[in-house]
Amino acid sequence: AQSVAQPEDQVNVAEGNPLTVKCTYSVSGNPYLFWYVQYPNRGLQFLLKYITGDNLVKGSYGFEAEFNKSQTSFHLKKPSALVSDSALYFCAVSHHGSGNTGKLIFGQGTTLQVKP
Amino acid sequence: EAQVTQNPRYLITVTGKKLTVTCSQNMNHEYMSWYRQDPGLGLRQIYYSMNVEVTDKGDVPEGYKVSRKEKRNFPLILESPSPNQTSLYFCASKGLSSGANVLTFGAGSRLTVL
Repeated sequence: AQSVAQPEDQVNVAEGNPLTVKCTYSVSGNPYLFWYVQYPNRGLQFLLKYITGDNLVKGSYGFEAEFNKSQTSFHLKKPSALVSDSALYFCAVSHHGSGNTGKLIFGQGTTLQVKP
Repeated sequence: EAQVTQNPRYLITVTGKKLTVTCSQNMNHEYMSWYRQDPGLGLRQIYYSMNVEVTDKGDVPEGYKVSRKEKRNFPLILESPSPNQTSLYFCASKGLSSGANVLTFGAGSRLTVL
């Protein structure tokens, strides 16, 4: 069965420091991997995705993520955190076989708190 | 502006009183889906629709119904709500020609069932 794990409920970083939000996945075959962000009282916004190709994926707002097949991980990173990055972050996976059914399996979510 | 619109955004109701959460998208997307978000569980798919008159169950369909009579609308119906359906609900859509499963989400509907 497909699954996604975000091992940290909350990540705290100081503004200007690098941040990492961790995600590991389990899926048969090759995965499509996604990160979404949810700001308070808002819907989820797409940040970036990995389909194939370069393992380092760049997305919106200066975020990037690295696909590591051997470790089945897709950690979200940013070199220098901003207070405005504080939000709830979701990792999601789908399997190539699900094609365009749009079925995403989401992790539990990680709250990122960036302090001034 | 391209968007997915959900209504109501907030609702408090009582057990057994039928309610409908509407969802509308203006992007001519074929695919639409409903998710519920609960603390510690992430988002779980309730129902989805690949196109008009085509709907299918997701992972947690019990207690919910949907319909897709028009391409732009995908209402979520709770015939007899129960307290365990208290949750934050999201509607999402995507075009089937767009790259791998990038969903556009609505702002969410927070439902409380007393």
